[in-house]
Amino acid sequence: QSALTQEVSVSGTVGQKVTLSCIGTSSNVGRFGVGWYQQISHGSPKTVMLGNSRPSGIPDRFSGSKSGTIASLTISGLQPEDEADYYCSTWDSSLDVRVFGGGTKLTVL
Amino acid sequence: EVQLLESGGGLVQPGGSLRLSCAASQFSFTNYAMTWVRQAPGKGLEYVSSMESVSSITGSGGDTYYADSVKGRFTISRDNSKNTLFLQMNSLRAEDTALYYCARVLRYSGTDYPDYWGQGALVTVSS
Repeated sequence: QSALTQEVSVSGTVGQKVTLSCIGTSSNVGRFGVGWYQQISHGSPKTVMLGNSRPSGIPDRFSGSKSGTIASLTISGLQPEDEADYYCSTWDSSLDVRVFGGGTKLTVL
Repeated sequence: EVQLLESGGGLVQPGGSLRLSCAASQFSFTNYAMTWVRQAPGKGLEYVSSMESVSSITGSGGDTYYADSVKGRFTISRDNSKNTLFLQMNSLRAEDTALYYCARVLRYSGTDYPDYWGQGALVTVSS
């Protein structure tokens, strides 16, 4: 069982807005920023969000936010190439380890 | 562009050892913490270990962290002169079978984030 809780699967149509969530605790999500990682067809993870900041080259349809112990990744204007597994991750100050969510499989219909 | 190239993976019997390497380039390796993350077949990402940067001036830093599942069996280390990160894996078990990713850790707004990832090294533990 993962320390961070994510939806198992989410789907949306092209152009739609979808939001993925990541639920943690006060020692991880509630305390630190959350990174979001995209993995397409079991390739290497690609960083799409650092807290609420997009790395260079990531389209502006991706946005990140956090409220308390829940972090969210929103994709506005879903594209076929966004179909992937998405993982959230942050540090846990109680466990002194990095924790990951179980991943959300995003399907673009 | 930041590059991370893992090597050293392979097939090993249970109880055996393996040493992974991660060659870093196109950034100042000395100044960054680094981490290992693995992914078992068909499973999600799992944290393995991380190592903070070591000050070239004071020699301080270099703290290491491990997931409970590998503590006492795996050792993370780095050679800043060779821009290389290592993961020594001993007493390997079948459940250690996974693709092992090396990643750079970026400190941004008070939080550490893996930002660049390698392509992974496959470790298979089987008799």
